[in-house]
Amino acid sequence: AQKITQTQPGMFVQEKEAVTLDCTYDTSDQSYGLFWYKQPSSGEMIFLIYQGSYDEQNATEGRYSLNFQKARKSANLVISASQLGDSAMYFCAMREGESSSASKIIFGSGTRLSIRP
Amino acid sequence: EPEVTQTPSHQVTQMGQEVILRCVPISNHLYFYWYRQILGQKVEFLVSFYNNEISEKSEIFDDQFSVERPDGSNFTLKIRSTKLEDSAMYFCASSNTGPGNTIYFGEGSWLTVV
Repeated sequence: AQKITQTQPGMFVQEKEAVTLDCTYDTSDQSYGLFWYKQPSSGEMIFLIYQGSYDEQNATEGRYSLNFQKARKSANLVISASQLGDSAMYFCAMREGESSSASKIIFGSGTRLSIRP
Repeated sequence: EPEVTQTPSHQVTQMGQEVILRCVPISNHLYFYWYRQILGQKVEFLVSFYNNEISEKSEIFDDQFSVERPDGSNFTLKIRSTKLEDSAMYFCASSNTGPGNTIYFGEGSWLTVV
């Protein structure tokens, strides 16, 4: 069964607009971590933002924020004031058992974001 | 800012040959990982490594694959007898203890098997 679901295979957004990338997850663990990574066309995987399952506030990192709705098991990424350089593939990921450092991250299928000038 | 480094960035190899992909994790990290991404597909977990042994491996990580930490800094992935379907981007990653336990990825090694 899919543990991380990203329902938007591709999105087009006008430059300077805000964009929300959807992510839902499935876990029976009480303790887990949620991540977003950016993969530009050059291929590297860039960490963007993290949200722990026990964090009461939504995570923010510059123009990135994570809209965490625990009851709905969603962890949407919001990018404010989008820039051309935001065009990339975006992956939502989850690590179960937050206290276990060795546990793996599992990825969603990704959303390809394209910013229009 | 510390980063995970991988070599080579791109390797072309003949089917049946052995390949070693090298990684230098972030220096104070204790947990190491290899992931694979076939072109256009999702990122797949291969193996995690801690305290000089495999912590977990996926069903992809069969006898064709092995990992090693030959010294205090390098972490390698060996692929024996490569097949066409091994063509993919291979990512090394590392993490440490602490809040978030973020896993940081290297820039990847693109393997092409011909």
